[in-house]
Amino acid sequence: AQKVTQAQTEISVVEKEDVTLDCVYETRDTTYYLFWYKQPPSGELVFLIRRNSFDEQNEISGRYSWNFQKSTSSFNFTITASQVVDSAVYFCALSEGGNTGFQKLVFGTGTRLLVSP
Amino acid sequence: EPEVTQTPSHQVTQMGQEVILRCVPISNHLYFYWYRQILGQKVEFLVSFYNNEISEKSEIFDDQFSVERPDGSNFTLKIRSTKLEDSAMYFCASSPPVTGFNEKLFFGSGTQLSVL
Repeated sequence: AQKVTQAQTEISVVEKEDVTLDCVYETRDTTYYLFWYKQPPSGELVFLIRRNSFDEQNEISGRYSWNFQKSTSSFNFTITASQVVDSAVYFCALSEGGNTGFQKLVFGTGTRLLVSP
Repeated sequence: EPEVTQTPSHQVTQMGQEVILRCVPISNHLYFYWYRQILGQKVEFLVSFYNNEISEKSEIFDDQFSVERPDGSNFTLKIRSTKLEDSAMYFCASSPPVTGFNEKLFFGSGTQLSVL
């Protein structure tokens, strides 16, 4: 069965600090997808990244970077030089299956990030 | 950027009343989904819909829930007789018939349902 664990319930940092949000997943499939979403106080789910299981290259997008390690079943997310606007709940999610369009996501419990000025 | 549209953004209803939540998925997508998030909790899968029928549903999706694609653009979630515990944010999502390796998956902005 699929499972996503985000062990950090809440993290507090001061602006400009770097912060890493952990995500550990469980799946029996060899083909799967991993996601990160940001949920600001307004409530919507903002897509950040989707990574397939065959692509272990790390990804960098501006201040955001993701580290995918199949050996440890982890897909961690780092924010460099955090800003107050990064304050949100961040969800990691997993979807099993091939490249068909069907994408049923299993979410972790989320990590609340508080960035203070 | 294409988007999934949900209406209304907020819905308040009395216990026992029927509610319909509406979604307009991205136009060339064929898979449609509803998810639910009770306040302060994680997002949970409710149901997926493909080729005019339910393709998968969770334990949460009981007989009080139904989904429909009444025309070529809308996708609705109906709760027949709402309960207090149905109060949650409901998210709609859609995906195309075949996805690229790292294609984005967008959710609508959600409908906050409050059952009084």
